[in-house]
Amino acid sequence: QQPVQSPQAVILREGEDAVINCSSSKALYSVHWYRQKHGEAPVFLMILLKGGEQKGHEKISASFNEKKQQSSLYLTASQLSYSGTYFCGTAYLSYNTDKLIFGTGTRLQVFP
Amino acid sequence: DGGITQSPKYLFRKEGQNVTLSCEQNLNHDAMYWYRQDPGQGLRLIYYSQIVNDFQKGDIAEGYSVSREKKESFPLTVTSAQKNPTAFYLCASSKGTGGPYEQYFGPGTRLTVT
Repeated sequence: QQPVQSPQAVILREGEDAVINCSSSKALYSVHWYRQKHGEAPVFLMILLKGGEQKGHEKISASFNEKKQQSSLYLTASQLSYSGTYFCGTAYLSYNTDKLIFGTGTRLQVFP
Repeated sequence: DGGITQSPKYLFRKEGQNVTLSCEQNLNHDAMYWYRQDPGQGLRLIYYSQIVNDFQKGDIAEGYSVSREKKESFPLTVTSAQKNPTAFYLCASSKGTGGPYEQYFGPGTRLTVT
C-alpha cells in the first residue's frame, strides 16, 4: 500500500518554511525520509519509529503521529541546497519491516 | 571509502536483448535491494536479498532476475520479457534485518532500450 505524500510540489523563497506529509492507510512501523537531487541517488535524512518521536537534523526535522498514521517533514528557514525531491519510505508491522514502500515524492524548489 | 557502486552509469540496448546491471557494496551490509524509478512514480522495489543465496520478489519483479552469490554483489538482469525496461535503476544496501536501518543508495544506472 503506497503512502500518499502531500503536497506534490512546493516552491519557496530562501528562508521560508515548508511541511511535507506522508500518510498511510495501514499501521506503520517506521517512516524513512530521503532527498534526491535530479539524476542522483537518494540521500538519507532520518528514520522515525512508531511511538510518536520527533527527530531533527539541523533545520530539518520530522515527526510521527501514530494516531493519524502520518509522518511530517519540517524544513525551516530553507536554503537553496534544500531543493530536490523528498521521498518517504514506509515499513509495516504486518509485513517485512526491512521492506520499504516509497511515496511518489514531493518536489521542492527553493529560489533566491 | 565505503559505498555502493553501480555500473555502467548509462546503458543502451536493443529490444529483445537481456542486460545485466552491476551492483557492488563494500559496507559489509547483509541486505541489498533493487529499485526502479520512473518519472512521477517514486521508487518501486524489484527484488531484495537479506542474506547470501536468498532473495525475495518485490512489487514489480516480472521480467527481472537476480542472484546473490556473494555478500558484496547483487546483479540485476533485465530480461526481454520486461515490457517497458527503459528506466533509472537504483541499487541500495542496509545493515541487515530486524531494523529499521538506513538504506544507502548507489549512483544508479539509466537504461534505455530501443
